[in-house]
Amino acid sequence: EAGVAQSPRYKIIEKRQSVAFWCNPISGHATLYWYQQILGQGPKLLIQFQNNGVVDDSQLPKDRFSAERLKGVDSTLKIQPAKLEDSAVYLCASSLTSGSSYEQYFGPGTRLTVT
Amino acid sequence: AQKVTQAQTEISVVEKEDVTLDCVYETRDTTYYLFWYKQPPSGELVFLIRRNSFDEQNEISGRYSWNFQKSTSSFNFTITASQVVDSAVYFCALSEEDYGGATNKLIFGTGTLLAVQP
Repeated sequence: EAGVAQSPRYKIIEKRQSVAFWCNPISGHATLYWYQQILGQGPKLLIQFQNNGVVDDSQLPKDRFSAERLKGVDSTLKIQPAKLEDSAVYLCASSLTSGSSYEQYFGPGTRLTVT
Repeated sequence: AQKVTQAQTEISVVEKEDVTLDCVYETRDTTYYLFWYKQPPSGELVFLIRRNSFDEQNEISGRYSWNFQKSTSSFNFTITASQVVDSAVYFCALSEEDYGGATNKLIFGTGTLLAVQP
């Protein structure tokens, strides 16, 4: 079974530029999560989708971050414009459906450096 | 409020030593789940274990064991006879039960970097 796929793996941009990350969850998984992991910290949830609807985006900085999951499969996370403090690893995860009894499977992450 | 504390930032041991990683959590819910994840240098988070709040039985899986104590709000992880391949960052996480489709986000601790020297 293929795991969660993410691209690109690495991205370097200058502040005020825009960037987009792509995630393809495990086939059949209805729930998709984007986490932000700043160096030295644990991952923090940015947004959770159930199919193509948003369940939780309370910690998403909506003035600069946006995410969508069209057709309830792939998802993109965009930052526009980027700030220095957005430098982090962006992790995508998926689970069969929502609910804490379902394991979240993580992708390899995209490491973003903002200079 | 939900919170997970991993007080040990870094631990260094020599191969074959036993090592325990501490995790203390805070939650007001009576139903919740606790997790341990491993993050090797490649960056991908690898699921190790999930425990629900009603199951305080300790668990052993090969060289790994977990001790869950609700009385002290702790969920500690022990590696017996550590190996170099165990070197990684280990995260403890908490998730509260969701009712009617609310989020089941994971609240992570800050992680413990384990270095196993040959």
